[in-house]
Amino acid sequence: DGGITQSPKYLFRKEGQNVTLSCEQNLNHDAMYWYRQDPGQGLRLIYYSQIVNDFQKGDIAEGYSVSREKKESFPLTVTSAQKNPTAFYLCASSMTGGNRYTFGSGTRLTVV
Amino acid sequence: ELKVEQNPLFLSMQEGKNYTIYCNYSTTSDRLYWYRQDPGKSLESLFVLLSNGAVKQEGRLMASLDTKARLSTLHITAAVHDLSATYFCAVTSFIQGAQKLVFGQGTRLTINP
Repeated sequence: DGGITQSPKYLFRKEGQNVTLSCEQNLNHDAMYWYRQDPGQGLRLIYYSQIVNDFQKGDIAEGYSVSREKKESFPLTVTSAQKNPTAFYLCASSMTGGNRYTFGSGTRLTVV
Repeated sequence: ELKVEQNPLFLSMQEGKNYTIYCNYSTTSDRLYWYRQDPGKSLESLFVLLSNGAVKQEGRLMASLDTKARLSTLHITAAVHDLSATYFCAVTSFIQGAQKLVFGQGTRLTINP
């Protein structure tokens, strides 16, 4: 069955360290998205990509970076510039112009 | 900039009662989504509403869309404990040919036996 795989499920980051969250999909979707969710809050868009080798900043892109070298993959790097990275991160994908979004199971990042 | 607002943000109700969650959005869109989230889990798609006047029902949940009023409702009928979760509405925004999904703050629903 097709879907989105996020890994790892849990991730711990030390102060000043960069970490990368993986997101892979086998749905042949063109568009991919990264969202951040803080406890008791809604989802806020970090970055999104409509096609390979192109991506746009969302509402809270500072301290994050992404790449889209393959259609199937959209990794998110949380850099040391992100001062409060502890959150739940969700990756999603859709067909361009489509009306269905598929979400991964999420990565919970904690700063230690 | 598209903004999506839900109310109430917290809702505690008894089993067997009816209630409605409201979702308002600020700019024109014809695609509205409702999701359910259980604690520590990802999002589960409930409804996709694609046109004015659309109404969809699944079990004790019914969602509707009024694009002219920029309002969607999620109605819960005869609530049961298993419906306790956080419910999000989301609206598709199109900017320079790119589409993205903008979420409301979520409504945390607790149903007491």
